[in-house]
Amino acid sequence: DSGVTQTPKHLITATGQRVTLRCSPRSGDLSVYWYQQSLDQGLQFLIQYYNGEERAKGNILERFSAQQFPDLHSELNLSSLELGDSALYFCASSPSASGGNYEQYFGPGTRLTVT
Amino acid sequence: GESVGLHLPTLSVQEGDNSIINCAYSNSASDYFIWYKQESGKGPQFIIDIRSNMDKRQGQRVTVLLNKTVKHLSLQIAATQPGDSAVYFCAENSNDYKLSFGAGTTVTVRA
Repeated sequence: DSGVTQTPKHLITATGQRVTLRCSPRSGDLSVYWYQQSLDQGLQFLIQYYNGEERAKGNILERFSAQQFPDLHSELNLSSLELGDSALYFCASSPSASGGNYEQYFGPGTRLTVT
Repeated sequence: GESVGLHLPTLSVQEGDNSIINCAYSNSASDYFIWYKQESGKGPQFIIDIRSNMDKRQGQRVTVLLNKTVKHLSLQIAATQPGDSAVYFCAENSNDYKLSFGAGTTVTVRA
């Protein structure tokens, strides 16, 4: 158990809909990262937050957004969903803002299926 | 695409044998590397990391080797066990903020 929690575990929704994925980092970790994992793309970095502020953006679509709240939990919002958005979405956390240079602890993921 | 990749998508290993999983990277500016293990239905789990000022690092039953000359990273697992069956990813940091992951190698341990 990494100490990172994600809810829900599974989500099935229709095209055009909007969903929110939630992540709670390990106790004491200030950085939260979101990744998308699909069969043909591997693990793709989406976005990082550090202590409530957006720190870095990766391959995140404009239809997607995220935020980190004062209690450090984070939410990833996916809107106007398309079939191609079906994937595993992982959250990871680390203590530092310099996430690329430190171990990141991953949650169990949310499996999103868009029908 | 990503600059990190693995040589083989699959690896079949006899239980008790040593496993070697390879990874090539293309960004010579990368200074930090991690190996992750992902079991079915779970998130990636940290195995071992290495910084670019080292060429070898050992953990429990695992060793990571870094060859910066040819931009090659490998993970060696000693006495492979059934519980080692998983997908293994190498990741590199070439920016301050993100890790870039390779496509992964699926390791299957034969009894």
